[in-house]
Order: sequence, then C-alpha cells, then structure tokens
Amino acid sequence: AQSVAQPEDQVNVAEGNPLTVKCTYSVSGNPYLFWYVQYPNRGLQFLLKYITGDNLVKGSYGFEAEFNKSQTSFHLKKPSALVSDSALYFCAVKEYGGSQGNLIFGKGTKLSVKP
Amino acid sequence: DAGVIQSPRHEVTEMGQEVTLRCKPISGHNSLFWYRQTMMRGLELLIYFNNNVPIDDSGMPEDRFSAKMPNASFSTLKIQPSEPRDSAVYFCASTPGVNYGYTFGSGTRLTVV
Repeated sequence: AQSVAQPEDQVNVAEGNPLTVKCTYSVSGNPYLFWYVQYPNRGLQFLLKYITGDNLVKGSYGFEAEFNKSQTSFHLKKPSALVSDSALYFCAVKEYGGSQGNLIFGKGTKLSVKP
Repeated sequence: DAGVIQSPRHEVTEMGQEVTLRCKPISGHNSLFWYRQTMMRGLELLIYFNNNVPIDDSGMPEDRFSAKMPNASFSTLKIQPSEPRDSAVYFCASTPGVNYGYTFGSGTRLTVV
C-alpha cells in the first residue's frame, strides 16, 4: 500500500533562515512525488515534482526538494524563508506507472515564518 | 486556460436540505477528483473518475453523498440530506493522466446549520 507521512504538524522559522518541511513515503515500486502549497482560503497549488533523474528538484517560489531513495524521503527546502511562505504544505506520492490513479496526500505541515 | 472551476464558492444551507456542488475540469484532462478538507480529518479523497467513469468511490462517507460526471467537462457532488457534520471545504481537481500532477479548483466552503 502507498502512504506518505509528514511528521511535523507545524514548522516555525525566522525570516531569512533556511527551512525544511519533512516528508517520507512508502510505495512498492518507484515513487512519483509532489509538493503542494495551500494559502488560506485557496486551493492547493503545485510547487514541484520528482519522477526520475536528478535527486534535487527545483520548483516555484525558490523551493527545492531532495529525493533520497535509501531514506524514502522527499524533504522540501528553501535557503531563505519569507514571511509570505507561511502556508500549509502537502506532500503527495503515487507509484510511477502503477495502476492506482490517485495521489496519496500527507496530512499537511503548517509553516509559519516570523519576521 | 481558466483552470478548474468550482461553484458556488460558498454555500450555507439548513440541515436536511439538498446541496449540489459543481466542477468544470480543465479541457483535455481525463481524470477528475473530489476531495473534502476539514481541520480534524485533513484532505480526504471522496471519489475519482477516469474518462467520466467512477473508478473509486470508497471515500464517499455515506449514501447521502453521490457524484456524477455526465460528460468530460462537468461533474457534480450532491449531498442529500445534508447534515452539520458535512460542513467542510470541498475541492475538485483534474489531471491529464495517471502520471501527472493535479490542478485544484478554489473549493466550495459548505456550511450546514
């Protein structure tokens, strides 16, 4: 069975500091991984994805994520946080090429960036 | 492209009334998903369609919930009768295929009083 875990309900960071939002996954084959962001009263917006290739994936708004197969992780990172990055972040996974059509989403991590 | 369009944005209804939520997916996307989001339960998949056919409705909470996709450009989620515990934000999402990401609509905030 496919699953994804976001171990932190909330991450607090000071503006200008680096941020990391953690995600681990479980799939039987090769993973297809995503990060989405949700701002208040909005739908989820795509940030970045990993299919194959370079383990470091760059996405929107200066975010990047590193795929680590041995640790089954796909942590979201940004070198310097902005107050405007404060939002809810979701990691999602599915088995690449698998028959199951839907992404499995984590419970979300609330990122709070203080000035 | 206008993206995934959901209507209404907000719905307030009385317990026992029928509620219909609407979704127009992105043209050319052949998969459509209905999600429900609450503080307590997070983001829950209710049902999804491939090529207008329901594939997995195991997330539909009760028989009071039903969803249809009569054509490639329209889907509805109906709750009849509605209950206060149905209060949530309902999202629709679409994708061009099984190995692509989703595009989400802005959601419908449902309040049942």
